[in-house]
Amino acid sequence: QKEVEQDPGPLSVPEGAIVSLNCTYSNSAFQYFMWYRQYSRKGPELLMYTYSSGNKEDGRFTAQVDKSSKYISLFIRDSQPSDSATYLCAMSVGALGLGSRSGAGSYQLTFGKGTKLSVIP
Amino acid sequence: NAGVTQTPKFQVLKTGQSMTLQCAQDMNHEYMSWYRQDPGMGLRLIHYSVGAGITDQGEVPNGYNVSRSTTEDFPLRLLSAAPSQTSVYFCASSYADEQYFGPGTRLTVT
Repeated sequence: QKEVEQDPGPLSVPEGAIVSLNCTYSNSAFQYFMWYRQYSRKGPELLMYTYSSGNKEDGRFTAQVDKSSKYISLFIRDSQPSDSATYLCAMSVGALGLGSRSGAGSYQLTFGKGTKLSVIP
Repeated sequence: NAGVTQTPKFQVLKTGQSMTLQCAQDMNHEYMSWYRQDPGMGLRLIHYSVGAGITDQGEVPNGYNVSRSTTEDFPLRLLSAAPSQTSVYFCASSYADEQYFGPGTRLTVT
């Protein structure tokens, strides 16, 4: 079983719909959870980042983490055609780039395969 | 402030050739990494570095070498290209909560 599972879709919704994207994971040591958005032929860009259970909101985006169920979600409200992209979840045991040079294995992000979302006008 | 830059954008190699994919960042980040992205496989970590002079292997390091002589640069070397290395390669740098990806290099090995 891969450490991070994500439904690849594709997912097609009408403009204005609420979108729910999900990932499950098996490694209970994961503490940091991220969502990236990747437009076609571009590099991923960080959308949301959280390191605790519960909800985190940023505009139309809400990230939800349930560590007891090993389940994370990204909700997009009032979806727009410009939201059409592939959404990748990612997680790590340790925080990236804090400067500590110890703890090999804490600095690796594990990604889901990505869900391709199309928002139809 | 250019962020993370990668060169070249596209490359075609013949089996057995070697080449270096360049990556540079101007944000003074200590942590840098290389990923490959293949259809149906997601992003997989090749090598990473937590600072100048220190590198480590990721999930799929075979066939690739890295070095980190400066904070800014983190080149990825393909020693003897194979068709299985056809992929899109992304370099990333990070500090604390933020990770920034470059635009990618599309590599085809024939």
